[in-house]
Amino acid sequence: DQQVKQNSPSLSVQEGRISILNCDYTNSMFDYFLWYKKYPAEGPTFLISISSIKDKNEDGRFTVFLNKSAKHLSLHIVPSQPGDSAVYFCAASAINSGAGSYQLTFGKGTKLSVIP
Amino acid sequence: DAGITQSPRHKVTETGTPVTLRCHQTENHRYMYWYRQDPGHGLRLIHYSYGVKDTDKGEVSDGYSVSRSKTEDFLLTLESATSSQTSVYFCAISSGQGYEQYFGPGTRLTVT
Repeated sequence: DQQVKQNSPSLSVQEGRISILNCDYTNSMFDYFLWYKKYPAEGPTFLISISSIKDKNEDGRFTVFLNKSAKHLSLHIVPSQPGDSAVYFCAASAINSGAGSYQLTFGKGTKLSVIP
Repeated sequence: DAGITQSPRHKVTETGTPVTLRCHQTENHRYMYWYRQDPGHGLRLIHYSYGVKDTDKGEVSDGYSVSRSKTEDFLLTLESATSSQTSVYFCAISSGQGYEQYFGPGTRLTVT
């Protein structure tokens, strides 16, 4: 039972245009969401996060939107650059569940290709 | 970059042999995690540690054990490697304050 879903395995975007990566979750206990970027043969790197008390968080070219009622979040990259080509993972955590482990549940990833 | 190293970076081993992967951190973070990454599955949590000698199972813990005798080291052991354990293994650390986890470079393990 997949609790975090990234339904698009791949996405191709022209350089300079907007990239939109989507993520859905099913566990209503999730209250913290993160995006990671991964290049081949490297570990994932943290990109941006959002708490469930917000609906938007922005960091430079990267913006994450959260729609709690729809259990949906998205990552917008504007403008897209060839160096953004990587696999993007959505992750979620139930920070306030009392488990204390700060476990992350990851989606399967979306491979973004930015075409020059 | 967070100070996380993994060793070895690549390993080929035979079915039935024991294998130990090491994760070493210099950040003094409390939480450490082991994940595996497989095509079509994303990243799945194997085991995690919330302090020295404090560990717990993750989603895919069968066939794996862990130990943490020092804050800086978290070991993952495959007691008897199987071909289904061929994967890329990532270690991650977290302070528990900012909730983000920071990942090591990974270990590619092939079990023949």
